Amino acid sequence: DAKTTQPTSMDCAEGRAANLPCNHSTISGNEYVYWYRQIHSQGPQYIIHGLKNNETNEMASLIITEDRKSSTLILPHATLRDTAVYYCIVSEFNNDMRFGAGTRLTVKP
Amino acid sequence: GAGVSQTPSNKVTEKGKYVELRCDPISGHTALYWYRQSLGQGPEFLIYFQGTGAADDSGLPNDRFFAVRPEGSVSTLKIQRTERGDSAVYLCASSLGYGALYNEQFFGPGTRLTVL
Repeated sequence: DAKTTQPTSMDCAEGRAANLPCNHSTISGNEYVYWYRQIHSQGPQYIIHGLKNNETNEMASLIITEDRKSSTLILPHATLRDTAVYYCIVSEFNNDMRFGAGTRLTVKP
Repeated sequence: GAGVSQTPSNKVTEKGKYVELRCDPISGHTALYWYRQSLGQGPEFLIYFQGTGAADDSGLPNDRFFAVRPEGSVSTLKIQRTERGDSAVYLCASSLGYGALYNEQFFGPGTRLTVL
């Protein structure tokens, strides 16, 4: 069973920030939050991960609440190429990834 | 550099037949993973190798499924007596090693298996 809950779908206007929420209320102290995305007909692609602190890289920012029970992935300026299914996963080690159904993000012009 | 490659890209077989799916990980990656993805669902974990050994095969659905990685590089997923329910995209991924330090799994494009 997936340990995370995500909305089924979201829309975002091109050029705007896309904020994708994820609930992981049963996360344990050693588990990281990982985000991957999957563009149609391709394999998943790693985006970012974090443990407690907020993280930022060239693709996105990850905001984790203080109690670590939820997080938000932020794509600061969404483009049409960001249309994909986004998966939030919690895992202590990166070898036991359990993907859920994810959030289907559609970026609209 | 080369990414994870999988062959064939598409495989059509008949119910009851045996199939082999191949994965070539990124050179130097010691960890290798197999997933299965059905239409409209997220990838489902099947098995994970660290080196030559299967460190976690808890996701294999039954004993018709088997995977090997004899030299710690290329891996083959083997499915015996295929059933129509085995139809899916089979994804392979690799990572530098084990644990959160090696945080990124690199995925291949997948093999689409269709069982008629």
